[in-house]
Amino acid sequence: DIVMTQSPLSLPVTLGQPASISCRSSQSLVYSDGNTYLNWFQQRPGQSPRRLIYKVSNRDSGVPDRFSGSGSGTDFTLKISRVEAEDVGVYYCMQGTHWQYTFGQGTKLEIK
Amino acid sequence: EVQLVESGGGLVQPGGSLRLSCVVSGSTFSGDWMHWVRQAPGKGLVWVSRINRDESNTKYADSVKGRFTISKDNAKNTLYLQMNSLRAEDTAVYYCARDNSGSIDSWGQGTLVTVSS
Repeated sequence: DIVMTQSPLSLPVTLGQPASISCRSSQSLVYSDGNTYLNWFQQRPGQSPRRLIYKVSNRDSGVPDRFSGSGSGTDFTLKISRVEAEDVGVYYCMQGTHWQYTFGQGTKLEIK
Repeated sequence: EVQLVESGGGLVQPGGSLRLSCVVSGSTFSGDWMHWVRQAPGKGLVWVSRINRDESNTKYADSVKGRFTISKDNAKNTLYLQMNSLRAEDTAVYYCARDNSGSIDSWGQGTLVTVSS
């Protein structure tokens, strides 16, 4: 199975400041069709996960443009340009290139 | 908008069985591949099982293989997870989720399964 490793696991951020989460896979996530199936999810306290980003950098409808995804191959990053109070929660990367789908351990974002 | 509503969770003794259901609306369910993902208390997300659109192909995590069975009833827009021989380590919130080409685009609210004597 593909191992997804996130860092940091805890991320205290001051309101209005940027935040960055790294996700590394144990193998390349480039699929034979040329796409890279790397996704980012947000899970707010007490809520279900919500997809933010798919195929590395595509934002879902309704996701603020302060969220952006980048990366290639085995190294990926989720960036929040200016953290707001509603961004508190746990962020997970997930690969969908190789069977079976696997998640990172999660990064807990909190406000300093 | 796609909506997924799980039910069937509860308290069960070790070795017992439970069947989870997930009713899907706002989607062409017969064309959907579906997943179950679980989350133990205070822990991260773990994929459990997947089924393709016509039930011809199913996959399971090693930890549940031989004990859990995923199925779907396209006429009822409902996904199921039959869980047998339950263990304490199966205690978790179970989410049903819709697949979308190498991703999961929709999640239910989850149903809590507690395995304890």
